Amino acid sequence: SQQGEEDPQALSIQEGENATMNCSYKTSINNLQWYRQNSGRGLVHLILIRSNEREKHSGRLRVTLDTSKKSSSLLITASRAADTASYFCATGRGANSKLTFGKGITLSVRP
Amino acid sequence: GAVVSQHPSRVICKSGTSVKIECRSLDFQATTMFWYRQFPKQSLMLMATSNEGSKATYEQGVEKDKFLINHASLTLSTLTVTSAHPEDSSFYICSARRDSNYGYTFGSGTRLTVV
Repeated sequence: SQQGEEDPQALSIQEGENATMNCSYKTSINNLQWYRQNSGRGLVHLILIRSNEREKHSGRLRVTLDTSKKSSSLLITASRAADTASYFCATGRGANSKLTFGKGITLSVRP
Repeated sequence: GAVVSQHPSRVICKSGTSVKIECRSLDFQATTMFWYRQFPKQSLMLMATSNEGSKATYEQGVEKDKFLINHASLTLSTLTVTSAHPEDSSFYICSARRDSNYGYTFGSGTRLTVV
């Protein structure tokens, strides 16, 4: 069953703008991860945030985690047309646990 | 980094035949690999967890006799879709993780079309 729920389901922005995507989940987690998928391709891991972390940065990416609200957000700053893709959040429990994916957000960045 | 190679990337087969998909961890050993299925414009649904040297763990609703998983070595897991039917047409993706400090690495996926 799916645990993560992202919103919005689709987002269209202009190049240069920031894109914010949200994810909510239901059960306790060890970590939350964000992935990117280009059409018809595999997933690329973007960033992992552990349950005891509140914020993490990686390049143009900023992810936050609020375990009290069971939610996370992914911010992509200064978006580029190449950022156009589907973005998924996924939650993990345990050391080598399976991931549970959200439905995904389709991001379109207009040049 | 951690690299996972999946092969083939695309396969078309006739209804009733079997198809084998390979997933290899190229630069690390993976005692556990995961197999997902993805329908167009939908999320990934976990099918099974592949365990090296033991039986795979299947998710509820996934037929183990239909989707045979073999994880005979620390770097290779295979998924065989047996007696494929058109409804098995989908995008299949495997993943593995080097260790808990890494995110999961995904293969590039296999587009299966059963005609």
